[in-house]
Amino acid sequence: RKEVEQDPGPFNVPEGATVAFNCTYSNSASQSFFWYRQDCRKEPKLLMSVYSSGNEDGRFTAQLNRASQYISLLIRDSKLSDSATYLCVVNRNTGRRALTFGSGTRLQVQP
Amino acid sequence: DAGVIQSPRHEVTEMGQEVTLRCKPISGHNSLFWYRQTMMRGLELLIYFNNNVPIDDSGMPEDRFSAKMPNASFSTLKIQPSEPRDSAVYFCASNFGARGGEQFFGPGTRLTVL
Repeated sequence: RKEVEQDPGPFNVPEGATVAFNCTYSNSASQSFFWYRQDCRKEPKLLMSVYSSGNEDGRFTAQLNRASQYISLLIRDSKLSDSATYLCVVNRNTGRRALTFGSGTRLQVQP
Repeated sequence: DAGVIQSPRHEVTEMGQEVTLRCKPISGHNSLFWYRQTMMRGLELLIYFNNNVPIDDSGMPEDRFSAKMPNASFSTLKIQPSEPRDSAVYFCASNFGARGGEQFFGPGTRLTVL
């Protein structure tokens, strides 16, 4: 089983739609959580960190459910420019390992 | 303000050849990470350095892969001999301090081994 699992998609949504992605992680020792965004043929970039109480950044809302070991990302009022792959990332903050990336969920926002 | 710099951006080589990928982290960052990305396996951590010392190389596929960080501003990832299954995009990333903090990625090197 992969340490971080995501639905690869693609999610095809019209402009203005609300879309949600979920991500599950297997290691209960995971301490830090992030969403990264990767545009086609570009490098990943941090979209937002995920805090225990949930957090919002403009049209983006991230939530964490430690009991069920999943993280979610909600995008409201989708824009064409939101089309990208969204990577779920976890870090155990213990041992030697650094960040573990999920394989990503591809979003395509259509006009 | 320069980000992470990688070279070359594209590399096409023949099986059996040596390949060297280069990375210059962001000035002031003390952790450097090498990743490999393929469609099949996604983004995989190969190795990371902290203060120029390799901390975790458990992701390095096999002895054909080696990485060095001779100083705070330069790292190399070498594949010798290269094989077609090594074809991937190789990213270098850096950050300061915490393992788990935001990582800043370079543009990547797209490697094709024929």
